[in-house]
Amino acid sequence: DVKVTQSSRYLVKRTGEKVFLECVQDMDHENMFWYRQDPGLGLRLIYFSYDVKMKEKGDIPEGYSVSREKKERFSLILESASTNQTSMYLCASSFLDREADTQYFGPGTRLTVL
Amino acid sequence: AQKITQTQPGMFVQEKEAVTLDCTYDTSDQSYGLFWYKQPSSGEMIFLIYQGSYDEQNATEGRYSLNFQKARKSANLVISASQLGDSAMYFCAPRIGGSTLGRLYFGRGTQLTVWP
Repeated sequence: DVKVTQSSRYLVKRTGEKVFLECVQDMDHENMFWYRQDPGLGLRLIYFSYDVKMKEKGDIPEGYSVSREKKERFSLILESASTNQTSMYLCASSFLDREADTQYFGPGTRLTVL
Repeated sequence: AQKITQTQPGMFVQEKEAVTLDCTYDTSDQSYGLFWYKQPSSGEMIFLIYQGSYDEQNATEGRYSLNFQKARKSANLVISASQLGDSAMYFCAPRIGGSTLGRLYFGRGTQLTVWP
């Protein structure tokens, strides 16, 4: 079974703090993704990566950065957390092969910024 | 931005009945894939079913099937014999826009409630 894990289910941080969200997958997937989910807006892509040290901006990258030093790990960084970044954050991974690129998701991290 | 439309914010169905969740999308691609995901209240996104745009037959996976109409750019999810455990948010997610990197575009979701 594909396993995507995220470092925390719930996280509470203060405005201005630097926040790290970690995601690890064990299926040797090339692609990894970070989404945020807000009520009524569906999932919006923040960043994705198709290889180690590679990254691509998604639809809402402002206020975020990412790091992929190893194939299995993809980190989302909030350099200076703000209250409007309170949200559910979902990580996903998939193969690069277009015929087999189902995305598998982690359990999510619910981040609250006070 | 790609446009994905799920017109039903909420749907209600009685247990054992069938239900159809709508999804339309806007793309000029000829080759694309379409995914449906389920998100129960626990929050995890669960892959349900996939349809490729060149697939001749509608995809089926157990009680899930797709009513895929390429000309209308619609791919509705049909759940037969609903169960209480089907109560969840359902997302349509096409892979469109000519991407070879596997990114998906998600609709806003439909909240399905199954009642006894």
